Amino acid sequence: GAGVSQSPSNKVTEKGKDVELRCDPISGHTALYWYRQSLGQGLEFLIYFQGNSAPDKSGLPSDRFSAERTGGSVSTLTIQRTQQEDSAVYLCASSRGQGPYEQYFGPGTRLTVT
Amino acid sequence: RKEVEQDPGPFNVPEGATVAFNCTYSNSASQSFFWYRQDCRKEPKLLMSVYSSGNEDGRFTAQLNRASQYISLLIRDSKLSDSATYLCVVNMRGSARQLTFGSGTQLTVLP
Repeated sequence: GAGVSQSPSNKVTEKGKDVELRCDPISGHTALYWYRQSLGQGLEFLIYFQGNSAPDKSGLPSDRFSAERTGGSVSTLTIQRTQQEDSAVYLCASSRGQGPYEQYFGPGTRLTVT
Repeated sequence: RKEVEQDPGPFNVPEGATVAFNCTYSNSASQSFFWYRQDCRKEPKLLMSVYSSGNEDGRFTAQLNRASQYISLLIRDSKLSDSATYLCVVNMRGSARQLTFGSGTQLTVLP
């Protein structure tokens, strides 16, 4: 079946511009996660959605970052006024429910801020 | 102290070698444990879960030591294709995000 998809796969933007990153989770998965991974670094948790519950935004690094999930499916991560330190791979993952279930990752969006 | 700590490596081993990675976690109430594998410039994928009694999947053996709060991954008869970063992953009780990922241990298997 279809896995997690993300778009775009690569995004180059100028400092100060806004960007939107999209994630399509696996159909039927109620949990969705966003992570950030800088070159050679581990995964940095950003935000978690579970069903209709309020999202866990505790990992968002600043108020320039926001995310929404419409209809319990597709999610968009928005970064406003991008900075060079925002350059990283942004990974989305989904899992089948609220619990320590396997997370399936998308291929990521590689963001470069020039 | 990090919630999940791993030796970043790199571990460079010859083909056929046996290599072991350890990982420690800070929350004694953690319930579930996993090893994920991440190939260069790819997304992480589940390698195996770690059960209390220890478990084996082919050349891979995972063990859990709750008293010392560490888990391990042993790879026997390593192959070139085992070259990757291995991520230790822990479910922190009470954590809404469910899984906490370590920073990973890099393995390179040399011909």
